[in-house]
Amino acid sequence: SQKIEQNSEALNIQEGKTATLTCNYTNYSPAYLQWYRQDPGRGPVFLLLIRENEKEKRKERLKVTFDTTLKQSLFHITASQPADSATYLCALENRDDKIIFGKGTRLHILP
Amino acid sequence: EAEVAQSPRYKITEKSQAVAFWCDPISGHATLYWYRQILGQGPELLVQFQDESVVDDSQLPKDRFSAERLKGVDSTLKIQPAELGDSAMYLCASSLKGGSGANVLTFGAGSRLTVL
Repeated sequence: SQKIEQNSEALNIQEGKTATLTCNYTNYSPAYLQWYRQDPGRGPVFLLLIRENEKEKRKERLKVTFDTTLKQSLFHITASQPADSATYLCALENRDDKIIFGKGTRLHILP
Repeated sequence: EAEVAQSPRYKITEKSQAVAFWCDPISGHATLYWYRQILGQGPELLVQFQDESVVDDSQLPKDRFSAERLKGVDSTLKIQPAELGDSAMYLCASSLKGGSGANVLTFGAGSRLTVL
């Protein structure tokens, strides 16, 4: 069955360092991989997407890589700030517009 | 900025009662999704609409859940009868395929259901 795994339930990073979150998947061939941010009690908010034929995408302090051979995406936040503390969700989209999510990683940026 | 509207924000009900959630997507968004999110888990897709048609409802527990989008605009998700395990956040999202070909989801604030 299709499976998405995000590396850890929670991650603590010191302010100013780079936070790296991992998303692995099996039994799936996504056309796109997306990352969302979710704050407590709120709906997820879209951050970045990367296509299957792209290796890397950047947006301000965010960077996403996509390795379809390893079936893995890495999500980086550079110069992390306490305001970056949230849950980050990895999502895969297939060619039928179906989008499935991982469990998420709770990121805590420590001041 | 356009938003996805959901109501109610909070619903407390007793088991075996009927519950309904409403979603109004962003105007012009053809694709509408309902997700269920249990605390500490990721969103789980329940049903996906393209205009008024169901595209995927393979994970919808059809013995008690139903969803409709009659005019291809707003949508209703119903649970009857509610069970204790249905306690969760019900999220609605809509999308319009962008130039990249991908569906970027805009989520509503969600409807939090507590079944007692």
